[in-house]
Amino acid sequence: DTGVSQDPRHKITKRGQNVTFRCDPISEHNRLYWYRQTLGQGPEFLTYFQNEAQLEKSRLLSDRFSAERPKGSFSTLEIQRTEQGDSAMYLCASSLTLGSSYNEQFFGPGTRLTVL
Amino acid sequence: RKEVEQDPGPFNVPEGATVAFNCTYSNSASQSFFWYRQDCRKEPKLLMSVYSSGNEDGRFTAQLNRASQYISLLIRDSKLSDSATYLCVVNPTQAGGTSYGKLTFGQGTILTVHP
Repeated sequence: DTGVSQDPRHKITKRGQNVTFRCDPISEHNRLYWYRQTLGQGPEFLTYFQNEAQLEKSRLLSDRFSAERPKGSFSTLEIQRTEQGDSAMYLCASSLTLGSSYNEQFFGPGTRLTVL
Repeated sequence: RKEVEQDPGPFNVPEGATVAFNCTYSNSASQSFFWYRQDCRKEPKLLMSVYSSGNEDGRFTAQLNRASQYISLLIRDSKLSDSATYLCVVNPTQAGGTSYGKLTFGQGTILTVHP
């Protein structure tokens, strides 16, 4: 399967713990996006990378959240000191975007986080 | 005001029915518009792009009204397999006309097609 993959698919943690999620985009896709989706809502943008550069961060991304894409391939999203409000599905997407045009984003299956 | 607003439904329709979903967006400079489909507990997948002149893909027709900042999706001859959440999606545009890249989603409209 050459689609976007995410690991783990499910994570249950206790409040106050740190968690890290990984996303492997489609090979050679230069853009990688993180979104968060809570029940009954559409996905909300968190941040995105073009290659290894983090180009935009949403106001939703508090200082407890950090994302990296060190080599321009896979990305990690870390949440420190988790809170119950962090419980959500964390979706990763990638696209091959050239210039200023929009290109389709392909989503991974998501990581479902439950904070107890 | 939310950037993208949809009627959350749910819509419950019999097989063969025609159903229409509406969506409004607030950023008048937006250039790209889409409908995504999301099955229960799955990731969103692109259903179709929406073009200014309107476009059709089989049983699905999308329309865009830039003056009213309004997007619609029409599904004809509904199938059981059309049951899903339909997400209205906008790609905001920054000054200069370039794409931000991020997508802004509506909350989704739930469709259930029953026998």
